Amino acid sequence: KAGVTQTPRYLIKTRGQQVTLSCSPISGHRSVSWYQQTPGQGLQFLFEYFSETQRNKGNFPGRFSGRQFSNSRSEMNVSTLELGDSALYLCASTGSLAYQETQYFGPGTRLLVL
Amino acid sequence: TQLLEQSPQFLSIQEGENLTVYCNSSSVFSSLQWYRQEPGEGPVLLVTVVTGGEVKKLKRLTFQFGDARKDSSLHITAAQPGDTGLYLCAGIPSLTGNQFYFGTGTSLTVIP
Repeated sequence: KAGVTQTPRYLIKTRGQQVTLSCSPISGHRSVSWYQQTPGQGLQFLFEYFSETQRNKGNFPGRFSGRQFSNSRSEMNVSTLELGDSALYLCASTGSLAYQETQYFGPGTRLLVL
Repeated sequence: TQLLEQSPQFLSIQEGENLTVYCNSSSVFSSLQWYRQEPGEGPVLLVTVVTGGEVKKLKRLTFQFGDARKDSSLHITAAQPGDTGLYLCAGIPSLTGNQFYFGTGTSLTVIP
């Protein structure tokens, strides 16, 4: 099976702009989670989508939003970018491994806000 | 407050040394996963431990799940520069549904 793919891998934006990141999960996985990772804050949970519905949400402002399509592909959007949004954005799809829910990560999208 | 606390946060050792990384919680987990992440890449799954007291070995890496399923440890024997990376533990608490929680991470540097 192909792994989790994320596009684009790198992105440079300026403050005030908006950005859309894309994630394609492993075939058959219906859950997609998004994380923000920065050197000082570690891995911070943004939200999780399951069968096109947001199932869990982290503690991020409303500028961060997401959606999931019927083919399980997911997008996240950040509006009105701030310098502090510079981070590695990771997508993970969840599947079952030996009857245990397991997350599989994509390579991430590195976002730099200038 | 983090649900999963890892220690130490940073570790720098010489090649050939042994080390142990700890992952602790006050909550019970049905299973715990360990991941390794290299700079600029996504975390890669190393192992899943499921049964309390379980020990799993992956070459020079030994993973243990606590008897009460609230903690786990990762022991590396004779560390090599290729072991350098960020180690993360993660899991779904038994009583809180379906959301994954990740540990605070341990950044390991192995000096040749």
